[in-house]
Amino acid sequence: AQSVTQPDIHITVSEGASLELRCNYSYGATPYLFWYVQSPGQGLQLLLKYFSGDTLVQGIKGFEAEFKRSQSSFNLRKPSVHWSDAAEYFCAVGGRPGRRALTFGSGTRLQVQP
Amino acid sequence: DVKVTQSSRYLVKRTGEKVFLECVQDMDHENMFWYRQDPGLGLRLIYFSYDVKMKEKGDIPEGYSVSREKKERFSLILESASTNQTSMYLCASSPETSRQFFGPGTRLTVL
Repeated sequence: AQSVTQPDIHITVSEGASLELRCNYSYGATPYLFWYVQSPGQGLQLLLKYFSGDTLVQGIKGFEAEFKRSQSSFNLRKPSVHWSDAAEYFCAVGGRPGRRALTFGSGTRLQVQP
Repeated sequence: DVKVTQSSRYLVKRTGEKVFLECVQDMDHENMFWYRQDPGLGLRLIYFSYDVKMKEKGDIPEGYSVSREKKERFSLILESASTNQTSMYLCASSPETSRQFFGPGTRLTVL
């Protein structure tokens, strides 16, 4: 079965500092991997996705993620966090034939200090 | 832009009531999904549909049913609402097997 683990429930960083959110997955084949962001009172918005090819993926809002097959990880990074990045972030895996839905991690809530 | 709309942002119902949550997408997507979101648990799949009148159970279908009579509309039904169904419900649609577009969510409270 596929699964996603986000080990950090809550992270606080200072504005301007760098950010890394961790995501580990379990999957039987080459996964499709996603990061979504949910701002307060909003739906989920796709930040970036990995299907194949270059393992460093660029997304919107200055985010990037790196797929590391050997570590089963897909960590999200941003070099300089802005106050507007405060939100909840979800990692998801999908693409298994016959299962069209995604499996989500439990989320990481990011707080940004001024 | 793809638009996924949900009929209500907030809903309060009483235990035992029948509850309908509606979701509409405007991009002719084959796949539609219902998730519930609870703190610390992330999003969990309730049901999904890959075609009109077709449905498949997700990870937590108990206590729920769904209906898809038209391609653009996917309804989630709570036959007899219970307090443990108090949650945020998210609808999504997808043109393929992976990337999904989400609605704003319905926060349901069952008293």
